[in-house]
Amino acid sequence: EAQVTQNPRYLITVTGKKLTVTCSQNMNHEYMSWYRQDPGLGLRQIYYSMNVEVTDKGDVPEGYKVSRKEKRNFPLILESPSPNQTSLYFCASSPSGRSTYEQYFGPGTRLTVT
Amino acid sequence: AQSVTQPDIHITVSEGASLELRCNYSYGATPYLFWYVQSPGQGLQLLLKYFSGDTLVQGIKGFEAEFKRSQSSFNLRKPSVHWSDAAEYFCAVGLNSGGYQKVTFGTGTKLQVIP
Repeated sequence: EAQVTQNPRYLITVTGKKLTVTCSQNMNHEYMSWYRQDPGLGLRQIYYSMNVEVTDKGDVPEGYKVSRKEKRNFPLILESPSPNQTSLYFCASSPSGRSTYEQYFGPGTRLTVT
Repeated sequence: AQSVTQPDIHITVSEGASLELRCNYSYGATPYLFWYVQSPGQGLQLLLKYFSGDTLVQGIKGFEAEFKRSQSSFNLRKPSVHWSDAAEYFCAVGLNSGGYQKVTFGTGTKLQVIP
């Protein structure tokens, strides 16, 4: 089944404790993105990647890191999480070309930082 | 910069009634336009898309949307709502930004369906 998987689905952590949220897709997509969803703000893009070893900042990159060492994986790293990073996070992937706009989303990771 | 406005934060409709969710975009040219749906506890799923051509586009689950250039709008419609349509709906705009196909999402409209 074609899908985007994220782990963990739920995470509660404390301020400053490094964490990684994994994202994997099995559709051989070139593009991958991370979004955060906050009430009243919709989805805002954190980082994106156009292919292996090619990443760039989205609209709200502060406090986050990403890497793209393999085509299928795009982990999101919070080196020193803070309470304002409490949010619902989505990973998405899409093929190249015009279909890049048609994104496939993972189920989301709900992160709470205390 | 491109932007997407969904003026209705929350809408309640009766099951069987018709539905229209509003979406306006701000951009000089005609961008690509999308509607996504997010069911409770799930990720987003693409409902329909507009790239060019016929301004009335059909999507999955019986939804349709009409692009109106003069109003910079892309409203989502359904003639008869089912209880399973209760979800949050996001309008999105896509355009090429410096070689990257960027998608900007609206803030969403939460749909409640009552018996």
